[in-house]
Order: sequence, then structure tokens, then C-alpha cells
Amino acid sequence: GDSVTQMEGPVTLSEEAFLTINCTYTATGYPSLFWYVQYPGEGLQLLLKATKADDKGSNKGFEATYRKETTSFHLEKGSVQVSDSAVYFCALFNTNAGKSTFGDGTTLTVKP
Amino acid sequence: IAGITQAPTSQILAAGRRMTLRCTQDMRHNAMYWYRQDLGLGLRLIHYSNTAGTTGKGEVPDGYSVSRANTDDFPLTLASAVPSQTSVYFCASSDSRPSQETQYFGPGTRLLVL
Repeated sequence: GDSVTQMEGPVTLSEEAFLTINCTYTATGYPSLFWYVQYPGEGLQLLLKATKADDKGSNKGFEATYRKETTSFHLEKGSVQVSDSAVYFCALFNTNAGKSTFGDGTTLTVKP
Repeated sequence: IAGITQAPTSQILAAGRRMTLRCTQDMRHNAMYWYRQDLGLGLRLIHYSNTAGTTGKGEVPDGYSVSRANTDDFPLTLASAVPSQTSVYFCASSDSRPSQETQYFGPGTRLLVL
């Protein structure tokens, strides 16, 4: 079946540091890929997505590129802020199966 | 537009009691989902519904039931709660059209079963 593996946390960075959270997947067909963010005490919300190979999703300074050859969708941000502290989930949607699969989440803490 | 609402926000429940978690969306999405989130286990799908009148089992359906009488509502029932059902429960919905698979999540219900 489908699976999503993301970098284990927690990740702690200083403000303005560079962020990478790795995500790799296995799936049949050509899934859509997502990053969701969960702020403390809230539900998940979409951060960015990409629906086909080589697409780049971007939002709020975060970026991720759909790499079919390496089955990856790594999340990056050039300069993190304290307000980016949250849990980040990588996910895929398998169009053939009609279902989503989520990674286990990576907790990011940004210190001033 | 409220998006997805869940009720109650939190609940303490005695083991053996019956409990229904409510979920309502106003986006006219076809698909709805219930997840539980536990520390170290990420999100696990309990039940889902691809359209009104149909439901399906997810990864961890035992001890839970759902119904989908209309597009907007998707209640989750614990028939006889057990302590292992202590968790944070999230309802979500999505548009089933291609390239519209983003899931929209509610704020969650925090349930403690004693």
C-alpha cells in the first residue's frame, strides 16, 4: 500500500535558520503531494501542494518540489521565524485508490 | 463561512458510556473523514464517507461507527468508550473532484476516557 515517510523530529532551529524537512513516499500511479501544518491546539491546514512531477508548491516562504525520480517532496524555507513553530505533515492523495496517506508529522520549534 | 465545526471541543467520559462526536461542514464537499491523533502515532483514519449515504472503514475502525445521512453532517459514535479511545479526534472534508483533494480539518475534539 501507499506510505509516506518523513524526517523524525523534533527539529529545533534558531530564528532565520534554513529549514529542510525530508519526505519520501511510495505509491502506485501519480499521486498528488501535500504539506499540512498544525499549529498548537488547532487542526491541520494545507500549507502547499503539488499535483504532478516537477511542480513546485509554495506558500508563506515555504517550498517543496515534486520529484518523481526520487519519490520525494522535501519541505524547505530559507529563513524560519518563531511563528513557524508547529507540526508539519507530509501527505499524498492516490487518485486511483481515492485515499490519502499521511506521514507521522515533524515537530518544529524555532527559538528567538 | 465556518468551514468545518466539531463539537464538543473537549470531553471527559466514563468508560462504558456512549458518546457521539459531531462534525458539520458548509463547503458542500462530497468526502468526509474521521481521524484520531495520538502522540507518536500521527494521524490514523477511523472511517470515511465518499458521498452522502455511503461510509467506509479506515485503518482503525473498531469501536467506532459513523453515519452520513446528508452532505453536511458526519457524526462519529463510540458505542461503549474504553480508555484506549482517549485521543484527539479530527473531522475533515474534501472535494472529490480531481486536483481538488485538499483536506480541510476541523479544530478537533479532545476526548479523555476514564
